[in-house]
Amino acid sequence: GENVEQHPSTLSVQEGDSAVIKCTYSDSASNYFPWYKQELGKRPQLIIDIRSNVGEKKDQRIAVTLNKTAKHFSLHITETQPEDSAVYFCAASIFQKLVFGTGTRLLVSP
Amino acid sequence: DAGVIQSPRHEVTEMGQEVTLRCKPISGHNSLFWYRQTMMRGLELLIYFNNNVPIDDSGMPEDRFSAKMPNASFSTLKIQPSEPRDSAVYFCASGGRGIGQETQYFGPGTRLLVL
Repeated sequence: GENVEQHPSTLSVQEGDSAVIKCTYSDSASNYFPWYKQELGKRPQLIIDIRSNVGEKKDQRIAVTLNKTAKHFSLHITETQPEDSAVYFCAASIFQKLVFGTGTRLLVSP
Repeated sequence: DAGVIQSPRHEVTEMGQEVTLRCKPISGHNSLFWYRQTMMRGLELLIYFNNNVPIDDSGMPEDRFSAKMPNASFSTLKIQPSEPRDSAVYFCASGGRGIGQETQYFGPGTRLLVL
């Protein structure tokens, strides 16, 4: 089955810096890659997603890139703010099933 | 527009008791997913339904767990008998089906503690 690895497990940055989180997947049939943000005690919330026919997608300060050949995708957050502090999960989807990475705890210090 | 609704939000029970978690998906969504989240195992898919039919229950940990979706607006996840290792946050998510409709929207979760 699909396996998703996510790195790093924790990431500390200063406000205004950029943050990058990387994920790799194993099943080349996966075709949908969402990113979720989860604040403490809250539900995972979709922040951006990308489909396998697209290489890059941007939404304001966040962007996601996908390299199908290498089977990896990354989340980029620019101009980080303290409210970006949360756990971020990547996921890969095959036949509707989402397989999640283990999460990255992002801490943005003022 | 109401999102995914789950009840109860918190449940504390004793080992051996039956636990029933409930979910109301977003109106118009035809897929429903049950997840479990723990520190040790992360977010795990337990089971999902399309048009009220269970499609894949390979993530259900054992026979003590069962899920039903009697209609398009209601699903239950039952644990009988419950054990302390079942303590976790259980999320329900709903979504569409087909290309362009893969996004899953999560409910607020049920935090279950089995003593």
